[in-house]
Amino acid sequence: QVQLVQSGAEVKKPGSSVKVSCKASGGTFSTYTISWVRQAPGQGLEWMGKIIPMFGTTDYAQKFQGRVTITTDESTSTAYMELRSLRSEDTAFYYCARGATFDPWGQGTLVTVSS
Amino acid sequence: DVVMTQSPLSLPVTLGQPASISCRSSQSLVYSDGNTYLNWFQQRPGQSPRRLIYKVSNRDSGAPDRFSGSGSGTDFTLKISRVEAEDVGVYYCMLGTHPYTFGQGTKLEIK
Repeated sequence: QVQLVQSGAEVKKPGSSVKVSCKASGGTFSTYTISWVRQAPGQGLEWMGKIIPMFGTTDYAQKFQGRVTITTDESTSTAYMELRSLRSEDTAFYYCARGATFDPWGQGTLVTVSS
Repeated sequence: DVVMTQSPLSLPVTLGQPASISCRSSQSLVYSDGNTYLNWFQQRPGQSPRRLIYKVSNRDSGAPDRFSGSGSGTDFTLKISRVEAEDVGVYYCMLGTHPYTFGQGTKLEIK
């Protein structure tokens, strides 16, 4: 049974960067897409981008182009999402999800951006 | 971009009664391969989203059989045959192809 475990909560200053990890266990890592989705407090879900680990190919939402980078480390079955130039509006839970149909999801990582 | 519109946004339901959530897309979701990539997710309070239904009507193995999905083209529906207390949460439809747009969410509560 595949499980995704994410890194812990982060508090960042405006203008800085954050890098969140998502470690997969219990299944094949390379052939399944990993997507990143965020959810501001009390708000809905917003897709940010995805990567296919085997090929390293990425696809980003237009809104985050140039500010987000998604990478993987196949040796540790871990995906990473780095978001730069953080602002207060980036305060949110960030989730990873596996596969084209988004199953399963990680437990979420709260990123708080505050001066 | 495709816009996904859910209704209602709030859904009070009596235990044991049925519930229905509508999801409409601004354009047809039939993909070039002939499939329709429309997924439904449940997010219980304080939890990560969990997939319930994929490709319109395929229920996940872990989803109770009281959940069903239907629809085609631009109109889709998630139905719960008899609501139970554990069904409380927010339900989202999602376009299963780029740009993976989510609906606004429908909050189901017990009346």
